[in-house]
Amino acid sequence: GAVVSQHPSRVICKSGTSVKIECRSLDFQATTMFWYRQFPKKSLMLMATSNEGSKATYEQGVEKDKFLINHASLTLSTLTVTSAHPEDSSFYICSARDFPTGETQYFGPGTRLLVL
Amino acid sequence: QQQVKQSPQSLIVQKGGISIINCAYENTAFDYFPWYQQFPGKGPALLIAIRPDVSEKKEGRFTISFNKSAKQFSLHIMDSQPGDSATYFCAARRSGGYQKVTFGTGTKLQVIP
Repeated sequence: GAVVSQHPSRVICKSGTSVKIECRSLDFQATTMFWYRQFPKKSLMLMATSNEGSKATYEQGVEKDKFLINHASLTLSTLTVTSAHPEDSSFYICSARDFPTGETQYFGPGTRLLVL
Repeated sequence: QQQVKQSPQSLIVQKGGISIINCAYENTAFDYFPWYQQFPGKGPALLIAIRPDVSEKKEGRFTISFNKSAKQFSLHIMDSQPGDSATYFCAARRSGGYQKVTFGTGTKLQVIP
């Protein structure tokens, strides 16, 4: 099956710093990638839809200046959490839809962010 | 607004038993209904999915039953095993546009020996 990787798998940073998370589709092209956030024992909340070569589309309530998304190629999307604060601590998961059929979303293993 | 309602929140089943998780939706624009399995600290993995023109789909021990008129669908895990212990999410994908997926609230399944 299709593989999506995320890097890093875990990151601890100080409050005020910025953190970049990478999402890669390893064996397929993905014109569309999605970024989710998951709190402990909770469901996945869609943050934004990332499209190769264009601006990301953010869900209501998600600060686009806080969570910067770049989808520079068909296999890579990045999420940068700017000026991170403890309340940004969460599990961030990306998914990618295979191109061109786009039938299935494949999820990455997630990135655990802890802001001290 | 919770577009996909999932129940129960948690479920304990004995080994060999049947695990049943139910979901309901309101938006008729949904055209694809996947189920995901998630282990602690891992990303969700697609388990099985169904389209609304099919009433049932079976893959191994996993079966989805779909009731389009009632806007309900359910996951049945036959012969449940301890290795099935995980959190299960139903989901619904919107047709058109970016085909966003909306997740249910999740069911934590524990299969006891």
